[in-house]
Amino acid sequence: GIQVEQSPPDLILQEGANSTLRCNFSDSVNNLQWFHQNPWGQLINLFYIPSGTKQNGRLSATTVATERYSLLYISSSQTTDSGVYFCAVVGGGTSYGKLTFGQGTILTVHP
Amino acid sequence: EAGVAQSPRYKIIEKRQSVAFWCNPISGHATLYWYQQILGQGPKLLIQFQNNGVVDDSQLPKDRFSAERLKGVDSTLKIQPAKLEDSAVYLCASSSRVPGLAFFGQGTRLTVV
Repeated sequence: GIQVEQSPPDLILQEGANSTLRCNFSDSVNNLQWFHQNPWGQLINLFYIPSGTKQNGRLSATTVATERYSLLYISSSQTTDSGVYFCAVVGGGTSYGKLTFGQGTILTVHP
Repeated sequence: EAGVAQSPRYKIIEKRQSVAFWCNPISGHATLYWYQQILGQGPKLLIQFQNNGVVDDSQLPKDRFSAERLKGVDSTLKIQPAKLEDSAVYLCASSSRVPGLAFFGQGTRLTVV
């Protein structure tokens, strides 16, 4: 099946700093989502972005499907941005939409 | 629009006991997923339903785990008997189409002692 690798595994920032999280995948994809897992464990949708670029406030994401990677940008980070960020994909070879997750990036933002 | 509902939020059981989790997906969503997330790891798909039917249960430990989706709406996931390594968060998600945007519930945190 498709492999998803996220980097870096851990990231520590001071409030106000910018960051870039990366997601590499091993095959073509039909779907790519970025999630933020809050301290209570819920996965919050950030972006649905199988290709192209999207922006939502301080967050933006870019997926270059032909090169098999996606980037999540966080600008002017806040302590509330802390948590685990997951990338999840649906491989192009699957017909039924199985979401495969990476291992996540743990982001800690200090005040 | 109501989100994906799961219950209970937390459960502590002894090993070899049984436990059941419930999920109510977003209204009209045909696809329902159950994921297991062990501490420090990404979620792993246990089973995926399309309406009433199972489309992927390749990683479901079928000797102890079972799941059903009645009338293509609510779903239950059962573990019997539980083992210590089943301690995890169990996440339910739903999607209106595949491949499509998946929405997750708050999860059930299971501790087996």
